[in-house]
Amino acid sequence: GAGVSQTPSNKVTEKGKYVELRCDPISGHTALYWYRQSLGQGPEFLIYFQGTGAADDSGLPNDRFFAVRPEGSVSTLKIQRTERGDSAVYLCASSLSSRETQYFGPGTRLLVL
Amino acid sequence: GENVEQHPSTLSVQEGDSAVIKCTYSDSASNYFPWYKQELGKRPQLIIDIRSNVGEKKDQRIAVTLNKTAKHFSLHITETQPEDSAVYFCAAGGSARQLTFGSGTQLTVLP
Repeated sequence: GAGVSQTPSNKVTEKGKYVELRCDPISGHTALYWYRQSLGQGPEFLIYFQGTGAADDSGLPNDRFFAVRPEGSVSTLKIQRTERGDSAVYLCASSLSSRETQYFGPGTRLLVL
Repeated sequence: GENVEQHPSTLSVQEGDSAVIKCTYSDSASNYFPWYKQELGKRPQLIIDIRSNVGEKKDQRIAVTLNKTAKHFSLHITETQPEDSAVYFCAAGGSARQLTFGSGTQLTVLP
């Protein structure tokens, strides 16, 4: 079946703007994760959803970052008042349930000018 | 929280030789240890994983070993091929559900 998909693949924005990044998990996967990967580093955890609820948002760096998953499938990561330091690849992963294998999407490369 | 350290950061081997990448973790509650391969500009792909009730797992040319007492685990790739060239990440997961990743190893297999 189809894997995890993310849109857009690339996003260029100006400092101070608002952006939304979308993740479509594998069908039937109840757990969804957002990670951020800076150049030359491993992915860093941002937020984890089990179903519709954010079960753990301890990795969100500040209150400019927010994520939703209203129907328990597609998720949107929202970044307000973007800063140049937000530039990174934002990866989404899903798993059949928590503690199962996580499958990653191709990521959204965000560049804040 | 969990902290994962990975070594070496870069590794070059001749085609056909073996490659070993080592990771240590800090949280004794971690019980799941996957390894991901990431090619340039691509998504991380799971290549093998191990859970804490197992000491070793093998899949063709790839093997992972886990030492819970010492809190370290290793990836072994035998008979390396040029297509094994990529960045490899170890990770640790447990009750926190999310994965904590190492900083990656750039493996280059020289023909």
